[in-house]
Amino acid sequence: DQQVKQNSPSLSVQEGRISILNCDYTNSMFDYFLWYKKYPAEGPTFLISISSIKDKNEDGRFTVFLNKSAKHLSLHIVPSQPGDSAVYFCAASGSGNTPLVFGKGTRLSVIA
Amino acid sequence: DTAVSQTPKYLVTQMGNDKSIKCEQNLGHDTMYWYKQDSKKFLKIMFSYNNKELIINETVPNRFSPKSPDKAHLNLHINSLELGDSAVYFCASSDPVLASSYNEQFFGPGTRLTVL
Repeated sequence: DQQVKQNSPSLSVQEGRISILNCDYTNSMFDYFLWYKKYPAEGPTFLISISSIKDKNEDGRFTVFLNKSAKHLSLHIVPSQPGDSAVYFCAASGSGNTPLVFGKGTRLSVIA
Repeated sequence: DTAVSQTPKYLVTQMGNDKSIKCEQNLGHDTMYWYKQDSKKFLKIMFSYNNKELIINETVPNRFSPKSPDKAHLNLHINSLELGDSAVYFCASSDPVLASSYNEQFFGPGTRLTVL
């Protein structure tokens, strides 16, 4: 049973346009939601997060939106750059030092 | 200066062997984790240690034994390796007091284990 789902295995976007990556979750006990970026042969790198008490968090070109009633979050990247090409993982956790529950990832390709 | 390091990066071995993967973090974090990324690309928690104490042990075969000699190290020992153990293993660490974002975890580069 997947508690965190990323239904799009891949996404292709032109440079300069907006990339929107989606994530759905089933566990209403999750308190924190995070996005990680992963390049081949490297570990996931933290990108941005949001707590369940907020509906938006912005950091530069990256914005995460949370819709708790729909159990849905999305990551917006604007403008997209070729260096953004990577696999993006959505993750969720409860409070405290609890492990992250990951989605399967979405491979983003930004085409110049 | 690497924050979370793992050795080796690649490990190829025969079925039935025993092997270890080492992990070290220099971030001063209290909590460390082992995750497994299988062939379907799912990243799943295996173990979690806080200050050298095991706090989470998911349904992992007891052939897998984590060992934490101090809070900066969490090693993974695997006995009697099986074909299905082939995966990428990631070590991670966190500390909610120090984290800039809630439950941000820092990951090592991964160890790709191939069992033949």
